[in-house]
Amino acid sequence: RKEVEQDPGPFNVPEGATVAFNCTYSNSASQSFFWYRQDCRKEPKLLMSVYSSGNEDGRFTAQLNRASQYISLLIRDSKLSDSATYLCVVNRQAGTALIFGKGTTLSVSS
Amino acid sequence: EAQVTQNPRYLITVTGKKLTVTCSQNMNHEYMSWYRQDPGLGLRQIYYSMNVEVTDKGDVPEGYKVSRKEKRNFPLILESPSPNQTSLYFCASSPPGPSSYYGYTFGSGTRLTVV
Repeated sequence: RKEVEQDPGPFNVPEGATVAFNCTYSNSASQSFFWYRQDCRKEPKLLMSVYSSGNEDGRFTAQLNRASQYISLLIRDSKLSDSATYLCVVNRQAGTALIFGKGTTLSVSS
Repeated sequence: EAQVTQNPRYLITVTGKKLTVTCSQNMNHEYMSWYRQDPGLGLRQIYYSMNVEVTDKGDVPEGYKVSRKEKRNFPLILESPSPNQTSLYFCASSPPGPSSYYGYTFGSGTRLTVV
């Protein structure tokens, strides 16, 4: 089993749609959790960290369920500029390298 | 501007010719790491470093070496490159402490082709 698993998609949605991405991780000792965004083979960029209490940044909401080892990302009111690959990322321990899911591709159309 | 700088951006080389990909960060970060990205496999960790002179293997370290003699630099060395090391490489850095607050900052990537 892969350490971090995501639905690869693609998710094709119209502008204004709400879309949800899910991710599971297998190492229960994992300490930190993130969503990164990657555009067309450019470098990954941090979208948001994910906390057990849930956190929101504008149109983006992230949730972490440690008991189920499940991470989610909700994007509301999708924009064309949201089209990208979204990477679920887990850090086993501070200072060690990140473990990436393979990414979920989102395409938002007008 | 706070950034992670990788060089070169693109490199085509021949099998067996030693090469070094440089990585430098100007944010005084303790943590640095290298990844490779391949179609269908995603991003995989090669090596990471928690501080000067402290390095450790990631998931795919075979064929690579690293060194961390200064905090700002973390070069990736391919002693004898082979075609299966053709990939897109990313360097990243992060400050210490609970990394959930900071995440990692990535360089722009190095696209390496070994023929």
